[in-house]
Amino acid sequence: DVKVTQSSRYLVKRTGEKVFLECVQDMDHENMFWYRQDPGLGLRLIYFSYDVKMKEKGDIPEGYSVSREKKERFSLILESASTNQTSMYLCASSLYRGETQYFGPGTRLLVL
Amino acid sequence: GENVEQHPSTLSVQEGDSAVIKCTYSDSASNYFPWYKQELGKRPQLIIDIRSNVGEKKDQRIAVTLNKTAKHFSLHITETQPEDSAVYFCAASSYNTDKLIFGTGTRLQVFP
Repeated sequence: DVKVTQSSRYLVKRTGEKVFLECVQDMDHENMFWYRQDPGLGLRLIYFSYDVKMKEKGDIPEGYSVSREKKERFSLILESASTNQTSMYLCASSLYRGETQYFGPGTRLLVL
Repeated sequence: GENVEQHPSTLSVQEGDSAVIKCTYSDSASNYFPWYKQELGKRPQLIIDIRSNVGEKKDQRIAVTLNKTAKHFSLHITETQPEDSAVYFCAASSYNTDKLIFGTGTRLQVFP
């Protein structure tokens, strides 16, 4: 079974803090994704990566950056957290591009 | 770019009734259509998928149909049970987009 894990289930941060969300997958998948999930807006793609050290902007990259130093690990960084970044963050991975994605359990982030 | 619209946003049915969720896509080159189920507090999980060379696929009480001419696909759940209550997401991908484009989700409630 594919296993995708995320570093935290719940996180509370202050405005202006730097926030790191980490995602690890154990199935040697090339492709990894970060989504943000908000009620009524579905899953919105923030960034994705098709290879180590490679990153592509998704639909809502503003205020976020990512890092992929190892194949199994994909980090989402909020350089200076703001209250409008309070959300559920989901990481996913896939073996092939445009194919089935496997999701992590999500990190619910609250920015005060 | 590709756009996926999903309706309805909420759906309430009596236990034992059928439920149908519909999605339309804009990119005629789309060739892969997965459906995900997200139970409360859990990660989205793939429940069924269909490719463009197939018109219908069934797995026990769930089925997906695809109409390439009209560019829409639907999820059908028969004999609904309370454990079917969840948010369902459709998605589409093609060689042009290289990633999954998600609908905004349908919250299905099955009342006993």
